[in-house]
Amino acid sequence: QKEVEQDPGPLSVPEGAIVSLNCTYSNSAFQYFMWYRQYSRKGPELLMYTYSSGNKEDGRFTAQVDKSSKYISLFIRDSQPSDSATYLCAMSDTGRRALTFGSGTRLQVQP
Amino acid sequence: EAQVTQNPRYLITVTGKKLTVTCSQNMNHEYMSWYRQDPGLGLRQIYYSMNVEVTDKGDVPEGYKVSRKEKRNFPLILESPSPNQTSLYFCASSPGGTTDTQYFGPGTRLTVL
Repeated sequence: QKEVEQDPGPLSVPEGAIVSLNCTYSNSAFQYFMWYRQYSRKGPELLMYTYSSGNKEDGRFTAQVDKSSKYISLFIRDSQPSDSATYLCAMSDTGRRALTFGSGTRLQVQP
Repeated sequence: EAQVTQNPRYLITVTGKKLTVTCSQNMNHEYMSWYRQDPGLGLRQIYYSMNVEVTDKGDVPEGYKVSRKEKRNFPLILESPSPNQTSLYFCASSPGGTTDTQYFGPGTRLTVL
């Protein structure tokens, strides 16, 4: 079993929809939770970072962490075609040295 | 311009022929890391370095070596490449660790025949 599980998609939604992306994990030592976005043929870029449980909002993006369920989510409101990309969750323990990624979910937002 | 550079961008080689993929950053970052990306497996960390002369294994270090003799450079060495090391490789750097924004290089697509 992988330490971090993520549905690979693809997930196809119409423009303007609310998108929900999720990851589950098994390592209770993870304390830092991140979401990266990767466009085709590019390196990933950090979207959001959350420490421990709770919510964090940044514009159209909201990250949620539920450590009791070992479940994290990324919500995208008013999705745009430019949001079409692969979204990867990533996690790290308190040492902030090693990073474990999910396999990524490919999102397509249709105009 | 702040950036992470990798060379070469594309490489086709044969089994057993030693190769080095270079990585350099111009942001004075302490943390650097190598990842490989394979379909359905996402990014997997190979090695990371918290500072000069400080390196440690990630999730998939077998068959790879690294060195960090200077702060800006973090080369990835494959001493005897095998076909299962065919992959897309990314180098990344950040100021202090995994929770700082990591800046990724453009990627190196390696094929081992």
